[in-house]
Amino acid sequence: IQLTQSPSSLSASVGDRVTITCRASQGITSYLAWYQQKPGKAPKLLIYAASTLQSGVPSRFSGSGSGTDFTLTISSLQPEDFATYYCQQLNSYPRTFGQGTKVEIK
Amino acid sequence: QVQLVESGGGVVQPGRSLRLSCAASGFTFSSYGMHWVRQAPGKGLEWVAVISYDGGTKYYADSVKGRFTISRDNSKNTLYLQMNSLRADDTAVYYCAKCFSEGGCGHGGFDYWGQGTLVTVSS
Repeated sequence: IQLTQSPSSLSASVGDRVTITCRASQGITSYLAWYQQKPGKAPKLLIYAASTLQSGVPSRFSGSGSGTDFTLTISSLQPEDFATYYCQQLNSYPRTFGQGTKVEIK
Repeated sequence: QVQLVESGGGVVQPGRSLRLSCAASGFTFSSYGMHWVRQAPGKGLEWVAVISYDGGTKYYADSVKGRFTISRDNSKNTLYLQMNSLRADDTAVYYCAKCFSEGGCGHGGFDYWGQGTLVTVSS
């Protein structure tokens, strides 16, 4: 299963609403996770089952979608949110990742 | 608290072998499936392999199938990745990661990751 994220990168300001899209090449019901990765660090799980917030993750992060189209939204971008975000399908093996979306400071 | 600590990375010549280890603590290791994920320099994440909580089930990415072997020693709380016939395109930071759900990995994400260990394949 291939995952295509868009955009590949974006520039945004603190306080902006940011939306990242992930499209699967075939239906994966709600078996999708989102991760945040900062330079030199391991990825961090943000959302699983498409819309369930991982414990400890700020509520400004939200996920939605099912089937083939998914969205990660950051309601009000904070300085610590500048990072690369990856989606991952958990429907079948191999557990593929999207190519990533880099969120940069405008 | 959950800790995953990888080791065993380094510089290795093409065609040679290397074994990575991931020492786990802070949770009941024998109850969780475990994954390896890699990231080539400046690139995205690539899932490598998974092993079930009891070692009975394993899956691999096509890119490593037949060359890499995932295993675990639940008595030592340690996950392994044996990498044979290494190629330049295996150069990456290798992360171990824990399945979200106890028992079978199911459809949850990877809730804890190690800090990664760098493998460089070069002559």
